Parts: sequence; C-alpha cells; structure tokens
Amino acid sequence: DIQMTQSPSTLSASVGDRVTITCRASQFISTWLAWYQQKPGKAPKPLIFEASSLESGVPSRFSGSGSGTEFTLTISSLQPDDFATYYCQQYHYYWTFGQGTKVEIK
Amino acid sequence: EVQLVESGGGLVQPGGSLRVTCAASGFSFHGYSMNWLRQAPGKGLEWVSYISTGGDTTYYAESVRGRFTISRDNAKNSLYLHMNRLRVEDTAVYYCARSNCVGDCQHPAFDFWGQGNLVTVSS
Repeated sequence: DIQMTQSPSTLSASVGDRVTITCRASQFISTWLAWYQQKPGKAPKPLIFEASSLESGVPSRFSGSGSGTEFTLTISSLQPDDFATYYCQQYHYYWTFGQGTKVEIK
Repeated sequence: EVQLVESGGGLVQPGGSLRVTCAASGFSFHGYSMNWLRQAPGKGLEWVSYISTGGDTTYYAESVRGRFTISRDNAKNSLYLHMNRLRVEDTAVYYCARSNCVGDCQHPAFDFWGQGNLVTVSS
C-alpha cells in the first residue's frame, strides 16, 4: 500500500495569510496526486488533480506543486471560506488519502 | 448538472446486510467508472471500491474484500454497494464518486461526489 502523510495535522492562520500544506507519499507516484477540501457535514470538494491542475471553478489562490513523493498545496491569501479540512490523495496505485489538515482560524 | 444521490443507509446489526444505492444524473453514466468511498465519524476518507464502465472490472479495499460487492446498472444509471457481514467498524458515511475521465482510464481521481449516506452498524 502507498501511505500518504500530510503535515501539519492542524494549522492556525488568519485571513490574508499564505498557507502551505505538505503531503508525502511512501513511494513514487509521479504526479497522480489530488487535493480535496471538506467542510463539516459536506462531501469533499475536488480542488486540484495531477498535482498542479486546478479543477474548474476553483479560485486561483489555490495552487499545487510537486512530483514523485513530495507535494504541496498553497493558498496564497486565505479567505473566510477556506477554513476547512484538506486531504491529499494518491491515485497512482489504487487510492489512498492523507490523514487531513484542518485549517482553523487563529 | 452532474448529480449523485445516495440512498439506502441506516441502522443494521453486526453481521447483517445492507445495500446502498447511488442514482446518477446529468452525464452519460455508462461512460464513466465509479467508486465508493467512506468516512467514519470524525475520521478521514477511505476508498472502498471501484467498478469499470461496463462492470467487468472491480477492485476493493482490503478492509471490505470478500464482504462487499460493487455493481452497476447502466440502464438505470445506478451504482450499488452490497454490504454483507457488517462490522461495527464499517459505520461511516458512504459516498459514491465519479472517476474524472471518460472510459476506463488508468489513473482516475474523483471529480463529483454524492452528498453521502450514513450506515450505522450497532447492536
């Protein structure tokens, strides 16, 4: 199995902050990496696929980078609607998720 | 507009069975592989099962293999998850999700999700 490790588990930030979440795969996954945003009681919302491609309708303040085993999700200027939990997911070999990063209000 | 609507969840005793259904609309259902995922209360996301466009190829997570069966009816635009020998640890919100590429592509992510359906396994 491919294990996905996100850091940090919780992140406290303010509106306007630049936020970076890291995701590490236990083995090579090329760029088969997606990011999702989830709010309480709601289904996950896709943000990014293939490590850096923005899903349609996702604001440009979200960006993704990385390849191989190291990936990052960056929010350039945190907005009130962005406080949520973020998950990375590999789809190189079956599908596994990171444990999630909760972005909370500082 | 793509819509995925799950139904059929509820309370079941350990060892029991249940079938959850996902009704799809707004896209050519037969052209996309589909998936089930779940999320235990307060926990992270877990992929459960995959089915190809024609239903001839299926994959399962180790945690459910041999107990769960995924199937689809393309004529009814419906996806199913038959769950047998349910355990307390199967308690979760179950989501259906569409693969993000047309046909049986090699590396699909998930681009549309249903709202989820709670399955509770408890005596």
